[in-house]
Amino acid sequence: DVKVTQSSRYLVKRTGEKVFLECVQDMDHENMFWYRQDPGLGLRLIYFSYDVKMKEKGDIPEGYSVSREKKERFSLILESASTNQTSMYLCASPPTGDSTYEQYFGPGTRLTVT
Amino acid sequence: AQTVTQSQPEMSVQEAETVTLSCTYDTSESDYYLFWYKQPPSRQMILVIRQEAYKQQNATENRFSVNFQKAAKSFSLKISDSQLGDAAMYFCAYRRGALSSGTYKYIFGTGTRLKVLA
Repeated sequence: DVKVTQSSRYLVKRTGEKVFLECVQDMDHENMFWYRQDPGLGLRLIYFSYDVKMKEKGDIPEGYSVSREKKERFSLILESASTNQTSMYLCASPPTGDSTYEQYFGPGTRLTVT
Repeated sequence: AQTVTQSQPEMSVQEAETVTLSCTYDTSESDYYLFWYKQPPSRQMILVIRQEAYKQQNATENRFSVNFQKAAKSFSLKISDSQLGDAAMYFCAYRRGALSSGTYKYIFGTGTRLKVLA
């Protein structure tokens, strides 16, 4: 019944490291999203992708990039991790088109940058 | 731009009692969807209930129901007969209309942490 998976539940990285967060969905959806979740701020959209190799910036893209080489996989990249990127990262995948169906979330990756 | 506001950072309810979580939103769109998501300590986001804006009837899912007031832009969640397993963070979300790419973006509130007291 697994729909959206993320490569790590917990991750600890050092400042300046390049960090890859991987997300895989098995629903053949075109759309995939990366959110950042912080206390008191809710979920904020970092980037999203609506097709292979197609991406758009969300509300807080600074310091992040993404890659979508295959339909099922959407990667979030922190080029040079900083302590203010310590957060919970959630991947989600809504169905394509105008549907009442909700988006499916991965279990989240809690990233700590020291 | 659309915004979603949850004014209650934390709520408590006695087991078996009823609690209402508030959500207001701001939009100029006439057609949209609203959602309540639950995030338990396991961190897995779970859809609780959804409401289509064009429907006047309030959505219900077992012990969960909403009070949707379109003119007031209010979308509150009522949990009846609260159970210990209802303890979680609850997020209200708004799905806006399609972008040029055909994608629908979701806007989330800041969340309400619900504690259920035994």
